[in-house]
Amino acid sequence: QKEVEQNSGPLSVPEGAIASLNCTYSDRGSQSFFWYRQYSGKSPELIMSIYSNGDKEDGRFTAQLNKASQYVSLLIRDSQPSDSATYLCAVARRIGGFKTIFGAGTRLFVKA
Amino acid sequence: GAGVSQTPSNKVTEKGKYVELRCDPISGHTALYWYRQSLGQGPEFLIYFQGTGAADDSGLPNDRFFAVRPEGSVSTLKIQRTERGDSAVYLCASRRDRGRPGANVLTFGAGSRLTVL
Repeated sequence: QKEVEQNSGPLSVPEGAIASLNCTYSDRGSQSFFWYRQYSGKSPELIMSIYSNGDKEDGRFTAQLNKASQYVSLLIRDSQPSDSATYLCAVARRIGGFKTIFGAGTRLFVKA
Repeated sequence: GAGVSQTPSNKVTEKGKYVELRCDPISGHTALYWYRQSLGQGPEFLIYFQGTGAADDSGLPNDRFFAVRPEGSVSTLKIQRTERGDSAVYLCASRRDRGRPGANVLTFGAGSRLTVL
């Protein structure tokens, strides 16, 4: 079992729709959860971080965490073609980062 | 520096050769990470440093891989007797000290693309 699992996609949504990206993790001791976006040929960049169960909203992005189910998700509202990228879920055992493990990523295509 | 700087951006070498990849982190960032990313995969953890010491090197695939950070700033990833399977983009990231704003965020460099022929 991989430490962080994501559906590789591709996930294709029309412009203006909600894109839903999911991630599960195996280490119950994980405390820090992140979503990074990676454009083709570029390096990952942070979109959201979440540490407590529930929802965290930032603009068009909402991260959801359920530690009991070991599940993290990212919702992108009003998806734009510029959101087309690979979305990487990342997990760290302790607050403050430490060893951060990434999933394989989900490729998202937003069709104009 | 303002960002994480990695050199070289591209390296082509022959099987069996020795390679060094350099990472210059953001000034003041005490934690430094090395990842390896193959096409279509997520970043694979190799090692991270807290200051000068390797806090966790559990991701280094074998003893051909070694990394140093002698003064707690610049780090060098060293690969001996390169193999074709070592071909990947090697990403470096740095992070602020714990307790400071943004301490959980990894900031990545542009990567070093290694091709082993």
